Amino acid sequence: AQSVTQLGSHVSVSEGALVLLRCNYSSSVPPYLFWYVQYPNQGLQLLLKYTSAATLVKGINGFEAEFKKSETSFHLTKPSAHMSDAAEYFCAVTHSGGYQKVTFGTGTKLQVIP
Amino acid sequence: GAVVSQHPSWVICKSGTSVKIECRSLDFQATTMFWYRQFPKQSLMLMATSNEGSKATYEQGVEKDKFLINHASLTLSTLTVTSAHPEDSSFYICSAPWISGRSDTQYFGPGTRLTVL
Repeated sequence: AQSVTQLGSHVSVSEGALVLLRCNYSSSVPPYLFWYVQYPNQGLQLLLKYTSAATLVKGINGFEAEFKKSETSFHLTKPSAHMSDAAEYFCAVTHSGGYQKVTFGTGTKLQVIP
Repeated sequence: GAVVSQHPSWVICKSGTSVKIECRSLDFQATTMFWYRQFPKQSLMLMATSNEGSKATYEQGVEKDKFLINHASLTLSTLTVTSAHPEDSSFYICSAPWISGRSDTQYFGPGTRLTVL
């Protein structure tokens, strides 16, 4: 069984401030972990993914996430928030890559305050 | 990167009618595709796994006779919502895994918003 828990359904940050979106996972086997972003009325865009290589993963738009096995966490960060970062963010987990089912977290809506 | 398209992007239909949604992998072949449903302000829930040349695999609680899936080719999967009702109104998203070299990940379509009146 696999699952992800996203802490905080809404997060507000000021423009230029640090963005931290939290994700904890549960998996009986080594997981593949993802962060996706969804803009209103659009599909999902892959931000970054962890596939058992480097624990610090860099993604698009300045985002990065660190896989911490001891904490079963995969938090998403960005040093300086931009207005265009306002969107819904989903953490997701699967096993061994593309052909497996993806289980999504409940999502975190990021608001960026000017 | 890989591209997955969906058609239509939105559809409004009357209760009791059937609606077909297409999911295409534009520049790669996909023997497997996944269909998700997303209700307002909620996460994506997997409905079924579409398999080219064989029957789809449905998740628990998803009515296979209501949500017909056909994976007729390596680049096309269709989801037909039969006898649609207002409670079927949702955002339907498909995904397809792209395997290339050492990279494998799922790419998602832009979604189809279904509104049943």
